[in-house]
Amino acid sequence: EAEVAQSPRYKITEKSQAVAFWCDPISGHATLYWYRQILGQGPELLVQFQDESVVDDSQLPKDRFSAERLKGVDSTLKIQPAELGDSAMYLCASSAPDRGMGEQYFGPGTRLTVT
Amino acid sequence: AQRVTQPEKLLSVFKGAPVELKCNYSYSGSPELFWYVQYSRQRLQLLLRHISRESIKGFTADLNKGETSFHLKKPFAQEEDSAMYYCALSSSGGYNKLIFGAGTRLAVHP
Repeated sequence: EAEVAQSPRYKITEKSQAVAFWCDPISGHATLYWYRQILGQGPELLVQFQDESVVDDSQLPKDRFSAERLKGVDSTLKIQPAELGDSAMYLCASSAPDRGMGEQYFGPGTRLTVT
Repeated sequence: AQRVTQPEKLLSVFKGAPVELKCNYSYSGSPELFWYVQYSRQRLQLLLRHISRESIKGFTADLNKGETSFHLKKPFAQEEDSAMYYCALSSSGGYNKLIFGAGTRLAVHP
């Protein structure tokens, strides 16, 4: 069964360093989402792609975060420079056009710890 | 503002007892509601959506627009139901997005 892939699974970095996360959605899923989940909270959408275009990045801290999906397939989320408050789980999800955006398939996540 | 509230962080029950996980929402429009579940060491996954009006793993959820609630229910809890449950709301306009509640941990004891 196809799954969303993410790497790395864990990342420890020092504040002010750059960090990048990668996501490969399920083949054929045009919509890709990046979420941040702080401990004790639900996932919060950072950015949403439709194919290679960003359709929602209203909650993305654009001074330090960037996201791209150049060929409309896999995606990279970058943080530069990382801050202590960025420590969280970063989740990637994708959805198929014929199933509605509410049915999202999630990856295993990348747990980021900033020291 | 669009918001999802799950008032209980933890719900602890014994096997065979009824379960009700509460979810309230605020939304100005016609909402679409979902329940997602995350079992230990597994990915977050869709459990059910209100428009399907189906029962999944014995769970049901009814959308009550008057009370702006979408509570998740199961008449007889099983140990394998122990997990983290998230209620989510689909916002409207353009490309919809999911707004999640903070989640409720369900612990079913033998």
